[in-house]
Amino acid sequence: EPEVTQTPSHQVTQMGQEVILRCVPISNHLYFYWYRQILGQKVEFLVSFYNNEISEKSEIFDDQFSVERPDGSNFTLKIRSTKLEDSAMYFCASSEIQNLNYGYTFGSGTRLTVV
Amino acid sequence: AQTVTQSQPEMSVQEAETVTLSCTYDTSESDYYLFWYKQPPSRQMILVIRQEAYKQQNATENRFSVNFQKAAKSFSLKISDSQLGDAAMYFCAYREEYGNKLVFGAGTILRVKS
Repeated sequence: EPEVTQTPSHQVTQMGQEVILRCVPISNHLYFYWYRQILGQKVEFLVSFYNNEISEKSEIFDDQFSVERPDGSNFTLKIRSTKLEDSAMYFCASSEIQNLNYGYTFGSGTRLTVV
Repeated sequence: AQTVTQSQPEMSVQEAETVTLSCTYDTSESDYYLFWYKQPPSRQMILVIRQEAYKQQNATENRFSVNFQKAAKSFSLKISDSQLGDAAMYFCAYREEYGNKLVFGAGTILRVKS
């Protein structure tokens, strides 16, 4: 079964450093998403991406965050200057056709620890 | 804004028994989608079952079924013949018909006793 692949599985970074989280969505999917889950809390939407642009973003997704699809396969989330409160599990997801809504396929997540 | 409420922080079930996890939501929309996701200790999010609001028939997937009560805005998950591998955090989620994002509940931890 096709998978969404995220790398790395765990990233430790110093506060103030830039970090890039990488995702390879399922090849025929057109919509891409990032979600965040702070330990012990609910999963929160960050951003959705379609046709090489952001289609929706939450209030969490401020100027410190950016997304990019640099080539035909990767989808990245960049945090420019990490803060302690950015420590969380970050999930990438993709979906095939938004309105038919077969549901998202999530990756296994990247655990980001900011020290 | 839509909200999703899971009122049971934690539930326990004996192996082979049946358990029901509750979920309610608030929306003014008439067409939308509802989901249950499973998050085992590995932290991966796995889609368990989905329901389209315009369908009256409750969705089923093997041992998993839902009780969708649109008027009451309730969407409970029933797990029959519970297995040890069902132990996980379960999230209820809502999505507008033409929306981009999933709105998640706070989750219910399910423990399965042997």
